[in-house]
Amino acid sequence: DTEVTQTPKHLVMGMTNKKSLKCEQHMGHRAMYWYKQKAKKPPELMFVYSYEKLSINESVPSRFSPECPNSSLLNLHLHALQPEDSALYLCASSQDRAGWDTQYFGPGTRLTVL
Amino acid sequence: RKEVEQDPGPFNVPEGATVAFNCTYSNSASQSFFWYRQDCRKEPKLLMSVYSSGNEDGRFTAQLNRASQYISLLIRDSKLSDSATYLCVVNYNQGGKLIFGQGTELSVKP
Repeated sequence: DTEVTQTPKHLVMGMTNKKSLKCEQHMGHRAMYWYKQKAKKPPELMFVYSYEKLSINESVPSRFSPECPNSSLLNLHLHALQPEDSALYLCASSQDRAGWDTQYFGPGTRLTVL
Repeated sequence: RKEVEQDPGPFNVPEGATVAFNCTYSNSASQSFFWYRQDCRKEPKLLMSVYSSGNEDGRFTAQLNRASQYISLLIRDSKLSDSATYLCVVNYNQGGKLIFGQGTELSVKP
């Protein structure tokens, strides 16, 4: 089973709202990722968690706040977003962060910021 | 120069055609290589890992040439269901960071 689940599937929020995206995997993977993808572009890495600790932050604005409550869960807290933050937000996981580990993606949350 | 470059596409081919995608990467220290497939408004899904010896999965064949820093994907007997964007992906073993090509869109027509 290579399933990564994400909720919600779709989210519409205003610029003053606070919302959270959730990601879950039960494959025993120890690395989890957040990506942002705009239309017709490849995914862009935002954050990497390894063994529940943040290991990479790709200079993401502080209005995006990741959290890893346990080894199976990854959250992305959103606050004071801008319309240009509208995108598909993808979660992924891999066994570890080794160069040969395959990353498996969840179905994504399609976010619209009004 | 982009770290991973792919054919710009789109590729429009008839059913049954053979189509080849090419990809080059700039960092010779790259460790692993993948082709992902992404359907419209869906997540990327792993199609194949790519090995130096080449690997085949049904109608799909992937090749890696480390000396030329070149990766290819060959699709034989194209099906309508092969229509998607194909992403060439390289892992430099930098803490899990994947480097994506821009993707090549394939449209298979009846």
